[in-house]
Amino acid sequence: NAGVMQNPRHLVRRRGQEARLRCSPMKGHSHVYWYRQLPEEGLKFMVYLQKENIIDESGMPKERFSAEFPKEGPSILRIQQVVRGDSAAYFCASSPGADRNQYFGPGTRLTVT
Amino acid sequence: KNEVEQSPQNLTAQEGEFITINCSYSVGISALHWLQQHPGGGIVSLFMLSSGKKKHGRLIATINIQEKHSSLHITASHPRDSAVYICAGEYLGNEKLTFGTGTRLTIIP
Repeated sequence: NAGVMQNPRHLVRRRGQEARLRCSPMKGHSHVYWYRQLPEEGLKFMVYLQKENIIDESGMPKERFSAEFPKEGPSILRIQQVVRGDSAAYFCASSPGADRNQYFGPGTRLTVT
Repeated sequence: KNEVEQSPQNLTAQEGEFITINCSYSVGISALHWLQQHPGGGIVSLFMLSSGKKKHGRLIATINIQEKHSSLHITASHPRDSAVYICAGEYLGNEKLTFGTGTRLTIIP
């Protein structure tokens, strides 16, 4: 059973471009969480999704950020018109359900130049 | 104010020493997670506990619900244990994790 997959592992974007980060949860996991780690800072929750539904997006910036977890395929975190402050490591985690452990992916390191 | 507080922020010890990292949290927590972040950045989930004590190899995690406190212990520490250890609270009715600021552990050979 493969672990949580994220791609790309490293992504470089110029200011104003779009960034798409993908997360494939572990097999059988229907809950996906996205977290962001800014340079020299701790992890912060962004969004929690179940298949086709956003359950909690209280940690998402109000503009430019969106997330989806379609019925088929990976979860996508999309950042439009990226700015330098978006440079961070973005981790996703998956779990099989409520009150179950979360398994983390390797992260995507986004650099905005 | 962060709802999850860790101490110490940095810890350096000699190989073989017994290590303790502390975590305190606010009310309403349903589970407490301990994570390890390697120097390369990857995150590994070590423990998820809501009561008592769990052990895996040289790692032991305990939680005291009344005192709202958890500890992570490492016995016979080794340089490969050098990493950032993060505790995170999962609050009642809410699956998202609230993270502590992490403890950077360095084990010197």
